[in-house]
Amino acid sequence: GDSVTQMEGPVTLSEEAFLTINCTYTATGYPSLFWYVQYPGEGLQLLLKATKADDKGSNKGFEATYRKETTSFHLEKGSVQVSDSAVYFCALSESWDGKLTFGQGTILTVHP
Amino acid sequence: GAVVSQHPSWVICKSGTSVKIECRSLDFQATTMFWYRQFPKQSLMLMATSNEGSKATYEQGVEKDKFLINHASLTLSTLTVTSAHPEDSSFYICSAREFFSGRPETNEQFFGPGTRLTVL
Repeated sequence: GDSVTQMEGPVTLSEEAFLTINCTYTATGYPSLFWYVQYPGEGLQLLLKATKADDKGSNKGFEATYRKETTSFHLEKGSVQVSDSAVYFCALSESWDGKLTFGQGTILTVHP
Repeated sequence: GAVVSQHPSWVICKSGTSVKIECRSLDFQATTMFWYRQFPKQSLMLMATSNEGSKATYEQGVEKDKFLINHASLTLSTLTVTSAHPEDSSFYICSAREFFSGRPETNEQFFGPGTRLTVL
C-alpha cells in the first residue's frame, strides 16, 4: 500500500536559517503530493501541493519539487521565521475519493 | 478560505458512555468528509470516509459499530464513539472536501481544528 516517510523530528532552528524536511513516498501509481502545516491549536492547512512529476509547489516562501525518480517531495525554505514553528506533514493521494496518506509529521521550532 | 468547524473542541466522559462529535463545513457544501484519529506525536490515521447520503466506508481495523458516522447533510457529519473506553482517548480530526471536476485527488481537503476526547 501507499506510504509516506518523513525525517524524524523535532527540528530546532534559529531565525533566518535554511530549512529542509525530507519526505519520501511509496505509491503504486502517480500520486499527488502535499505538504500540510498544523500551527499550535489549529487545524491542518494545505501549505503546497504538486500533482505531477517535476512540478514545484510553493507558498509563503516554502517550496517542494515532485521528484519521481527519487520518489521524494522535500520541503525547503531559505529563511525561516519564528512564526513558522509548527508541525509539518507530508501526504499523498492517488485515489479517486481523495483519501490522504500522511507521514508521521515533523515538529519545527524556530528560535529568535 | 473554506472553514470547517468541530464541536466540541474537547470532551471528558466516563467509561461506557457515548460521545458525539460534530463536523461542519461553514461556507461550502462538502460532498465528502473524512474522519481521522491522531495519537500523540504520531501521524493522522484515516478512520473512515463518508459521502453525503450514503453509508461511511471504514478503513481496515476500524470498528464500524463502535465509531458511528452519519453524513446526513452537505454541511454536517457526526462521529459517535459508542461505549467509550480509555483506549479510545485520542484527538479526532475531520476534514471536508467539495467535489470539483477533474482529478478528485487534487481537490483540497479542509481540516477542522480537532476534538480532544478523554475517557476516564
